[in-house]
Amino acid sequence: EVQLVESGGGLVQPGGSLRLSCVASGFTLSTYWMNWVRQAPGKGLVWVARINSDESTTNYADSVKGRFTISRDNAKSTLYLQMNSLRDEDTAVYYCVRGGYYMAVWGKGTTVTVSS
Amino acid sequence: QSALTQPRSVSGSPGQSVTISCTGTSSDVGRYNYVSWYQQYPGKAPKLMIYDVTNRPSGVPDRFSGSKSGNTASLTISGLQAEDEADYYCCSYAGTYTWVFGGGTKLTVL
Repeated sequence: EVQLVESGGGLVQPGGSLRLSCVASGFTLSTYWMNWVRQAPGKGLVWVARINSDESTTNYADSVKGRFTISRDNAKSTLYLQMNSLRDEDTAVYYCVRGGYYMAVWGKGTTVTVSS
Repeated sequence: QSALTQPRSVSGSPGQSVTISCTGTSSDVGRYNYVSWYQQYPGKAPKLMIYDVTNRPSGVPDRFSGSKSGNTASLTISGLQAEDEADYYCCSYAGTYTWVFGGGTKLTVL
């Protein structure tokens, strides 16, 4: 069964850092582009970042550029999102998503709360 | 990276058809045939329903169909069923490996 399981969410103060992880199973992570998509409480979906299969290119939404870093360890079948300089508006459920030009497979999400 | 425009809500009775619109620009929806649609139940992860404007993944009922004209894409659900009541989001490739979602539409089955 194809599965994505996120972890690493939690409560962090503004200006703090957090690293999210996403473990993939049931498929070979190294052959797919991967994304992070987030959803603030009661709000819509927002694409956050994308990484290609060999980690040679990464892309980011303007709202997180320079603060977030997407990376992957294909040997560990794991995707990461390093989040620095966190702001209140980064509070959201963060989904790990397998996808090329469309978001085909979603994890259940991990919740990040930025608050003092 | 402005969000695509969707109606906040739509509704229909069981058996009827409803269409949800998704309006972008000539830089996203109008330029690429990479529009996708997602269904999301409260507290659950989204599920892919349509990709590349018109294609249905395996397992998605053929009651769901997609189309595009100019800068506007549409999702049509025919033969509405109670289980279709959910939030629906469109998404478009926006170039240079970036994507933009719509604000979401709440579908109510009366």
